[in-house]
Amino acid sequence: DTGVSQDPRHKITKRGQNVTFRCDPISEHNRLYWYRQTLGQGPEFLTYFQNEAQLEKSRLLSDRFSAERPKGSFSTLEIQRTEQGDSAMYLCASTGQGGEKLFFGSGTQLSVL
Amino acid sequence: DAKTTQPPSMDCAEGRAANLPCNHSTISGNEYVYWYRQIHSQGPQYIIHGLKNNETNEMASLIITEDRKSSTLILPHATLRDTAVYYCIVRGGGTSYGKLTFGQGTILTVHP
Repeated sequence: DTGVSQDPRHKITKRGQNVTFRCDPISEHNRLYWYRQTLGQGPEFLTYFQNEAQLEKSRLLSDRFSAERPKGSFSTLEIQRTEQGDSAMYLCASTGQGGEKLFFGSGTQLSVL
Repeated sequence: DAKTTQPPSMDCAEGRAANLPCNHSTISGNEYVYWYRQIHSQGPQYIIHGLKNNETNEMASLIITEDRKSSTLILPHATLRDTAVYYCIVRGGGTSYGKLTFGQGTILTVHP
């Protein structure tokens, strides 16, 4: 069990650029979640996958955001035309079937200049 | 999911028990109480959860009142490494059980 891995740990980009983050869940965990956390606030749910199917998306996930989990293993979160308001920590978590607890990665800290 | 109320901050001396309260007066019968914590620059970490009965594991104890409207997380011998933000979360069952609603939590500071 190597834990949930996220890459990169930090990303600095200019407004208007596209960025992509990667999450590798714990192997054999079939459920994968994305959260966003801004300074001083708790994490907010964005979306989740069961295997390769994206089953729920938050209203926080605007049209500029897209997430994929093509083979039911790793996942990517892409933000197009970044805005300064997108600056946040993006957290990934996973759990197994019937799992009662989420295992979180260390997150990707995005700064949009 | 039911809303929770926690104090914004608490202090604790190293080696003493830390008792973190949480109110969840609108909790439903099938909703669980979960506790996570987040150490600076890391993702949240699961601590413990319960439905009705008190629970204990290697990290902490969870005491839930009989009417289930409040609970207390107990760290029996706090260390400096327990300094973190502690989140109390009420979670329903069903397929979205990983969709957690975090509040602002309690900032616990353990001092020497």
